[in-house]
Amino acid sequence: SQQGEEDPQALSIQEGENATMNCSYKTSINNLQWYRQNSGRGLVHLILIRSNEREKHSGRLRVTLDTSKKSSSLLITASRAADTASYFCATMEGSNYKLTFGKGTLLTVNP
Amino acid sequence: DVKVTQSSRYLVKRTGEKVFLECVQDMDHENMFWYRQDPGLGLRLIYFSYDVKMKEKGDIPEGYSVSREKKERFSLILESASTNQTSMYLCASRTQGQGQPQHFGDGTRLSIL
Repeated sequence: SQQGEEDPQALSIQEGENATMNCSYKTSINNLQWYRQNSGRGLVHLILIRSNEREKHSGRLRVTLDTSKKSSSLLITASRAADTASYFCATMEGSNYKLTFGKGTLLTVNP
Repeated sequence: DVKVTQSSRYLVKRTGEKVFLECVQDMDHENMFWYRQDPGLGLRLIYFSYDVKMKEKGDIPEGYSVSREKKERFSLILESASTNQTSMYLCASRTQGQGQPQHFGDGTRLSIL
């Protein structure tokens, strides 16, 4: 069953611009994670935010979490062509081992 | 760095064949996972293993089985391959604990003819 849903499905921007991707989910979560997938490759973990956190930063990445709205956003600042990839949010419920992934946002950064 | 290695990047098999996909991780992770990824459907969990010889069904286990005889190796088995199992298969591992990320291999693109 799908938990996280990313929005938009696709985003195209110019190098240097900021990119914002959103994720909505349905049930209570323990944490929410963002992953990146370059074409034809596996997923790479970017950042994790716990349910009791509201904002987290890592380099050019900023993640927010609003548990009352069951939503999260990923902001990539000063984007580069190398940021071109699909971005997925994934949620973990309770003490479950499982992550449930959304369908992803395809980000294209044009040089 | 964690390394998760999948035995093949591309694989072509015929319907009815028994197919083995192998995954090895080098970080002594307790948990291992098999996903399939299809356009428009995202990643779907097939099976996972929280420790050696332990396994649990994911969301779409039908037509698949798994084996975890050693901690570093998690095998996905297609008992009798069918064309609807043509997909990208991704293996992941992680250490035990709620806040731990998953580490992925580069995937096996499997075509069933």
